[in-house]
Amino acid sequence: GAVVSQHPSWVICKSGTSVKIECRSLDFQATTMFWYRQFPKQSLMLMATSNEGSKATYEQGVEKDKFLINHASLTLSTLTVTSAHPEDSSFYICSARGVGAGSSYEQYFGPGTRLTVT
Amino acid sequence: AQTVTQSQPEMSVQEAETVTLSCTYDTSESDYYLFWYKQPPSRQMILVIRQEAYKQQNATENRFSVNFQKAAKSFSLKISDSQLGDAAMYFCAYRRVQGGSEKLVFGKGTKLTVNP
Repeated sequence: GAVVSQHPSWVICKSGTSVKIECRSLDFQATTMFWYRQFPKQSLMLMATSNEGSKATYEQGVEKDKFLINHASLTLSTLTVTSAHPEDSSFYICSARGVGAGSSYEQYFGPGTRLTVT
Repeated sequence: AQTVTQSQPEMSVQEAETVTLSCTYDTSESDYYLFWYKQPPSRQMILVIRQEAYKQQNATENRFSVNFQKAAKSFSLKISDSQLGDAAMYFCAYRRVQGGSEKLVFGKGTKLTVNP
């Protein structure tokens, strides 16, 4: 149990376009979802936290107008990178925590999405 | 602010041997959770082991065990009988809860190589 999926697993987009990444909890209700960014050979950095039905809370230094997060249901959160630029190329990972998962406090991670902006 | 430090960027171990990965953290909280995650080349984050700070007993999961020293703020991971499949990046993480919000603070990671 406690499976989180992400789609797409890899996306290439042109500079200036927008791209949407989906994060889904498949077998539990994700009351809270987290979005991380990971640069090559580096650690995970939290970008934002979202609770279902509420606005996301962004970490300091993360542009909320550039990284739009929507947690519209208990199983789906989306991250939209608007007007993407090459420096936005990175590995984006979501995680979820919630009801029906194995642990109430543990975050369950998706497989990640590799974004390449050309 | 809570910080997590992994002082070993890379470690190597011979297959079937034992290796210990170090992690220290800084916090003023008395109750918290600590985790070790494994990230193989697929980059899927996999929970290896968790420790609740109020529990004095060290957590164990099969070949993986921790040495939790609360006073020293140390949380090392011991891998026994290392296997080739253990090769991965290992991240130590601290779960911070503050003002109704929570976050995982990760260390920079240790790359573990397992030699046959």
